[in-house]
Amino acid sequence: EPEVTQTPSHQVTQMGQEVILRCVPISNHLYFYWYRQILGQKVEFLVSFYNNEISEKSEIFDDQFSVERPDGSNFTLKIRSTKLEDSAMYFCASSDWGSGGEQYFGPGTRLTVT
Amino acid sequence: RKEVEQDPGPFNVPEGATVAFNCTYSNSASQSFFWYRQDCRKEPKLLMSVYSSGNEDGRFTAQLNRASQYISLLIRDSKLSDSATYLCVVISPVLNNNDMRFGAGTRLTVKP
Repeated sequence: EPEVTQTPSHQVTQMGQEVILRCVPISNHLYFYWYRQILGQKVEFLVSFYNNEISEKSEIFDDQFSVERPDGSNFTLKIRSTKLEDSAMYFCASSDWGSGGEQYFGPGTRLTVT
Repeated sequence: RKEVEQDPGPFNVPEGATVAFNCTYSNSASQSFFWYRQDCRKEPKLLMSVYSSGNEDGRFTAQLNRASQYISLLIRDSKLSDSATYLCVVISPVLNNNDMRFGAGTRLTVKP
């Protein structure tokens, strides 16, 4: 069964450093998403991406965040200058039809900012 | 009113019990509804979509009440493996896009 994969599974970084979280969505999916979940809190939408551009972003997704699809398979989330409060689990998701459809999540990357 | 609100839980039930979760949403224009389950420190996994007419998948039944703006999930004959947090997810149109919102989740523990 096809699945979304993410790397690394755990990333530890110092405050102020840049991090890139990587995702490989399901191969025939066209819509891609990033979410975050701070420990003990609910899943929060960050950004959606379709046709090589951002289609929607939340208030959380400020200038420190960016996304890219550098090739036909990878989808990345970059945080330019990490803050302590960026520590969270980051989930990538993909769907095959529109942002109103079912989304399938990757296993997540746990980001710890020290 | 929160955009997506769920029963706070936790629910602790014996094996074989029937348990029901409710979820209310604030945007009457919401279009798509889902139930996901999330195990501890794992990703959300799609459990089922929720259709207007209600739908069933084995022991799981989902219903939608648009007039009252709530969805429900019923689990019959609960198993130990059903222990997880159940997330209500609502997609609503915002301008030209769709906005996906998660509820905070309801934790279920099924005990032997």
